[in-house]
Amino acid sequence: AQSVAQPEDQVNVAEGNPLTVKCTYSVSGNPYLFWYVQYPNRGLQFLLKYITGDNLVKGSYGFEAEFNKSQTSFHLKKPSALVSDSALYFCAVRDIGGSYIPTFGRGTSLIVHP
Amino acid sequence: DVKVTQSSRYLVKRTGEKVFLECVQDMDHENMFWYRQDPGLGLRLIYFSYDVKMKEKGDIPEGYSVSREKKERFSLILESASTNQTSMYLCASSSRAGSTAVEQYFGPGTRLTVT
Repeated sequence: AQSVAQPEDQVNVAEGNPLTVKCTYSVSGNPYLFWYVQYPNRGLQFLLKYITGDNLVKGSYGFEAEFNKSQTSFHLKKPSALVSDSALYFCAVRDIGGSYIPTFGRGTSLIVHP
Repeated sequence: DVKVTQSSRYLVKRTGEKVFLECVQDMDHENMFWYRQDPGLGLRLIYFSYDVKMKEKGDIPEGYSVSREKKERFSLILESASTNQTSMYLCASSSRAGSTAVEQYFGPGTRLTVT
């Protein structure tokens, strides 16, 4: 079985400050992990993914995520937040060797204040 | 550029009507998905198709059916719309090539209101 948790419904950060959006997962084996972003009234857009190898993954728009196997986490980060980063962020997990249907978290609303 | 399109951005239907939501992808993807998105519940999978004429139930298939007659098109059907089906509906596609590490591509969504 696979599951993912995003413990924060909302994250508030000031523009220019670093941001972190948290994600933890549970899988039977090893995970494939994904981050997506959804801007208002839009579909989800792929940001980045972890498959294997380097634990720090870089993606679109200056975002990166760190895979931590011991803590079963895959937190999304950005060194300096922009107001335009305000959106809904979804983490997703898929168990390697399992179904290729991913499980999504409930989403975290990121609000960047000017 | 990769593209998933959905037939309507906004739709208003009456209770009991039969509703068709259409999704088309131009990437020759094998897999197609229908999700509904509700505040606080995230994305919930309704149905999934891994090939033409093939379908699998997701987490919440009750009240819905699907059709996939062509590879590029995946339709979601609400046989008799009810107010609790008011939601945002998202279509997605992905390739089945190689591993399961591929990401999904999403359409813009259809916001359905059933009155």
